[in-house]
Amino acid sequence: QVQLVQSGAEMKKPGDSVKVSCKASGYTFTGNYMHWVRQAPGQGLEWMGWINPDSGDTNYAQKFQGRVTMTRDTSISTAYMELSRLKSDDTAVYYCARDSSLVGLGFSPSNWFDPWGQGTLVTVSS
Amino acid sequence: SYVLTQPPSVSVAPGKTARITCGGDNIGSKSVHWYQQKPGQAPVLVIYSDYDRPSGIPERFSGSNSGNTATLTISRVEAGDEADYYCQVWDSSGGYVFGTGTKVTVL
Repeated sequence: QVQLVQSGAEMKKPGDSVKVSCKASGYTFTGNYMHWVRQAPGQGLEWMGWINPDSGDTNYAQKFQGRVTMTRDTSISTAYMELSRLKSDDTAVYYCARDSSLVGLGFSPSNWFDPWGQGTLVTVSS
Repeated sequence: SYVLTQPPSVSVAPGKTARITCGGDNIGSKSVHWYQQKPGQAPVLVIYSDYDRPSGIPERFSGSNSGNTATLTISRVEAGDEADYYCQVWDSSGGYVFGTGTKVTVL
């Protein structure tokens, strides 16, 4: 079955960077876009961006431009999200989620996210 | 940027029907998806493309979308349906947008 397994919880200090991984299995990793979404404690879901695992192309939400970098390693079917210059309000659970549309068909504005990884808690505190 | 507004909470008795709204400007022209999130767990897709159900999701879950409001309906509510629910769309101005979330409480 399709599964996304993320790396473990991280504790960081303000100004640090964090890199979260998301290992995919059960499907062709390069076949679907991968998104990153975060959720601050007690808050809603916030989309951060996507990566095309085939080409490496990325599209980041404006809020995170200049601070987020999404990459992938196709040899191990793993996507990464690195967030730099961390602040306390970056404390959140970070999720990866597979896009429903196939990379080969091009971007679709009607797509959804399924499945999601289990989430990675990133705590930023001095 | 595009905003999706949901009621913060909905309470429903077991066996009754819960309706969760998602309001947005001309949302009827967009494709709406719904996610269920139980405490401490990742979101799970329950409705996609306005009204389609993924395999494994009970028929009790249904969706509609028209005008400025999309609706997720849960029929014959069970205790296991207690969760937070989020709507989601894509908007050309800002990418993917999630609703504010609705906590469903089963009385």
